[in-house]
Amino acid sequence: ETGVTQSPTHLIKTRGQQVTLRCSSQSGHNTVSWYQQALGQGPQFIFQYYREEENGRGNFPPRFSGLQFPNYSSELNVNALELDDSALYLCASSSLAGESYNEQFFGPGTRLTVL
Amino acid sequence: DAKTTQPPSMDCAEGRAANLPCNHSTISGNEYVYWYRQIHSQGPQYIIHGLKNNETNEMASLIITEDRKSSTLILPHATLRDTAVYYCIVTNAGNNRKLIWGLGTSLAVNP
Repeated sequence: ETGVTQSPTHLIKTRGQQVTLRCSSQSGHNTVSWYQQALGQGPQFIFQYYREEENGRGNFPPRFSGLQFPNYSSELNVNALELDDSALYLCASSSLAGESYNEQFFGPGTRLTVL
Repeated sequence: DAKTTQPPSMDCAEGRAANLPCNHSTISGNEYVYWYRQIHSQGPQYIIHGLKNNETNEMASLIITEDRKSSTLILPHATLRDTAVYYCIVTNAGNNRKLIWGLGTSLAVNP
């Protein structure tokens, strides 16, 4: 069983550019959640994807968008990058099955720096 | 906003029990208490969760007060590897299950 992986590990972009971050979920998991973590803060929920559909969104502008693929891997896209987008981006996979809760398994994150 | 309040930092001697408190006075009847931890610059790691009863697993114990307004995470024999930020999170059992994180407690385990 492989864990959650994210790529790339580090990324440097300039203001106004676009970025795509990738996440491979843990085997058997059908749900991916994305979080943004600024330095010294707790993670903030961006959105969640369940079976290729968005299943909840946090307080982030539309320039943050995502995709989930049939194999349940996922992408986070951010357009028109701003300096404040510099953060650790975390992907978490889990398995939704009715009311049964399964904990979220986090990847190591992608460190994005916007200059 | 996070529904929990935690002390910003705590210290613990290696080998001793670490008791991390969390207040969640506005918790609803269908909301669970979850604990995660984050070792420096790594992804968060699930520790334990509970609804009403106390819970124990190989990592920790979770003690929830009878009125459910507070809880304590207990690491029975803290090691240096337990140095991390510990997050207490309250969330419902809905199919979204998004996690709302506060600032957590930075636990330093000292030799």
